[in-house]
Amino acid sequence: QSVLTQPPSASGTPGQRVTISCSGSSSNIGSNNVNWYQHLPGTAPKLLIYRNNQRPSGVPDRFSGSKSGTSASLAISGLQSEDEADYYCAAWDDRLNGVVFGGGTKLTVL
Amino acid sequence: QVQLVQSGAEVKKTGASVKVSCKASGYTFTNYYMHWVRQAPGQGLEWMGWMNPDSGGTNSAQKFQGRVTMTGDTSISTAYMELSRLRSDDTAVYYCARGVSLLRGVTTPKYNWFDPWGQGTLVTVFS
Repeated sequence: QSVLTQPPSASGTPGQRVTISCSGSSSNIGSNNVNWYQHLPGTAPKLLIYRNNQRPSGVPDRFSGSKSGTSASLAISGLQSEDEADYYCAAWDDRLNGVVFGGGTKLTVL
Repeated sequence: QVQLVQSGAEVKKTGASVKVSCKASGYTFTNYYMHWVRQAPGQGLEWMGWMNPDSGGTNSAQKFQGRVTMTGDTSISTAYMELSRLRSDDTAVYYCARGVSLLRGVTTPKYNWFDPWGQGTLVTVFS
């Protein structure tokens, strides 16, 4: 049971826009930044979004992040087949004094 | 470029210990926290803890306290994670990840995001 809650799966067709939600509480998302990671099986996870809505250089602007209260979202527009991966949200938790992850969302491009 | 290269796969018997290394290059090792994250088969990412390479200070998630030891050798820019009293449910891919923040130097891991990550080390525990 993960501290942050994500839907286990999401899907879309090429060109579509999909969003992935991440729900937490006042001790994590409610008071700290949210980061998002993309993970293709067998490879190292990759930073996608940091500090809620910042994109590292090299990450396409098709990816965007937002946060409101104790929830955050990752949006992917213009979906491409190469976006098929697992996506994880993460945040610092003040009560646990450590990083907590969501359970991950498997994105399928139909 | 900034890179983390981890040691190779390990196979261990239950009750034994395993030590995974993570060699950093392309940046000043002592200026950034190093975190450890694992992924068990079919499961999500699980944060294990952090190590401050400058001070040697560490902190780990409660479930690993007493079993995990995180250290660093600044002379070779390498971090280590040792997990003891291995159980079958410790079978997982273990990752190191550099903790980055807007603040210069190692101040607090609270504002870290992880970039980059090591390639992962598969640890298999058998009975």
